[in-house]
Amino acid sequence: GQNIDQPTEMTATEGAIVQINCTYQTSGFNGLFWYQQHAGEAPTFLSYNVLDGLEEKGRFSSFLSRSKGYSYLLLKELQMKDSASYLCAVNQAGTALIFGKGTTLSVSS
Amino acid sequence: DADVTQTPRNRITKTGKRIMLECSQTKGHDRMYWYRQDPGLGLRLIYYSFDVKDINKGEISDGYSVSRQAQAKFSLSLESAIPNQTALYFCATSDLVVGGTENHNEQFFGPGTRLTVL
Repeated sequence: GQNIDQPTEMTATEGAIVQINCTYQTSGFNGLFWYQQHAGEAPTFLSYNVLDGLEEKGRFSSFLSRSKGYSYLLLKELQMKDSASYLCAVNQAGTALIFGKGTTLSVSS
Repeated sequence: DADVTQTPRNRITKTGKRIMLECSQTKGHDRMYWYRQDPGLGLRLIYYSFDVKDINKGEISDGYSVSRQAQAKFSLSLESAIPNQTALYFCATSDLVVGGTENHNEQFFGPGTRLTVL
């Protein structure tokens, strides 16, 4: 079966660091995406990992361990505009992306 | 101009009515998708198409049908709308990139259609 788990909600303060975890159990794994979605808007691409390890892109980093079925998104130097939902999605070979239910992050001052 | 467009952006309809949501893209991608999003349930795949002659059911295809009229167009129909189909609907496109360590299937989303069925 397919299962993607991530926390429903998280809170943090401006300037802090937050880590959003994602665990998955899928067949035909072919990479993992993280998307950001502001309320009422379309998801936008943040990162993609297909090999184990850390991918860094500015304030955002994403990590993947394929053997553990685990990924995390790390957000540094949090800003108010980072308040959004963060979606973990697994790329299954030959089919479409399968999305988790998303983590709503609230950043306060 | 937006690469992926959806029409209408908002629609209110009544139970039993036939509704069509349209999606167009100028990205030249072969792959197109329809998702619905409900609070607390994330994005769920309705149908997807990898080329003009290819249609595949997703996780929640019951009550929906699709048509891939051309590479650039993928429409979603609700033959007889019911209230639990009230949701935010997203169209997306992707182009599989294969090579080296990259095997992307990054999806690009349209702005969404908010559908309310009364």
